[in-house]
Amino acid sequence: EVQLVESGGGLVQPGGSLRLSCAASGFTFSDHYMDWVRQAPGKGLEWVGRSKTGANSYATEYAASVIGRFTISRDDSKNSLYLQMNGLNTEDTAVYYCAREAGEWLDRHYYYYGMDVWGQGTTVTVSS
Amino acid sequence: DIVMTQSPDSLAVSLGERATINCKSSQSVLYSSNNKNYLAWYQQKPGQPPKLLIYWASTRESGVPDRFSGSGSGTDFTLTISSLQTEDVAVYYCQQYYSTLYTFGQGTKLEIK
Repeated sequence: EVQLVESGGGLVQPGGSLRLSCAASGFTFSDHYMDWVRQAPGKGLEWVGRSKTGANSYATEYAASVIGRFTISRDDSKNSLYLQMNGLNTEDTAVYYCAREAGEWLDRHYYYYGMDVWGQGTTVTVSS
Repeated sequence: DIVMTQSPDSLAVSLGERATINCKSSQSVLYSSNNKNYLAWYQQKPGQPPKLLIYWASTRESGVPDRFSGSGSGTDFTLTISSLQTEDVAVYYCQQYYSTLYTFGQGTKLEIK
C-alpha cells in the first residue's frame, strides 16, 4: 500500500523550531519529487515547498512565506522527507501534509501534474 | 506568483443535480510546447487530506467517478459534478502547476441543498 505518515508536530513557542518527518512506503521514494503543503485552521491549502530527486541534485524550492526559515531535506535510504522549521510565528500554525508529486512520460519528456498521494498530516501549533 | 481565484466560495446543490465550480488564474497556465493546461482539482472531505481528482485540466485520476469532469483552457476552468451524490460533500480546490511555485484557489465548499 502506498502510504505517507507524518510525525513531529506539536506545540512550540513563537521564535522556536520544530522538525517534521514524513515516512514513505509502498513506492520507490527516490524516484519522486516530494512536497510539503499546509492548512491553517479553517483555511485553504498553501504549498510550502518541494524536494526534487537525486537526479535533479536534490534541489529544493519554497514558497515566499517560508524562505529563509524552513528547510526541506530527504534521506532516500530511509524513505523519509523532512521539514526543518525555524523562527516560527503564529501564522505558521497549521496541519502540515507531506505529498508525493505525480508525473508521467509524454513524448520522451517527464511531466509533473500535481500531488497524488497525501499523508494524514501533523499539527503544528505556535503559541505562547 | 500565479493567483488562483475560485467561484463561488460556497455552493448548495440538490441531490442528483449538477454542481459547477469555477477557477480563474491570474495568467495563462497553458504551456504552448505541449498544449497542456497545468491545472489540477482536489477534493477535501472534513478531517481528511486532499484527494487528486483531475489533472491537465480534464484528465480524471484513476478511480475517480465519471460524474466528475474538468474543462477550460488558458485562464478559465470549470469542475462539474454531473449528478451530485451525498459523498461529494467536500471542499474543492483548483491548483496550478504551470509555475513550479504551486498555488491553490481559496476553495469552494459544496453542500447538499
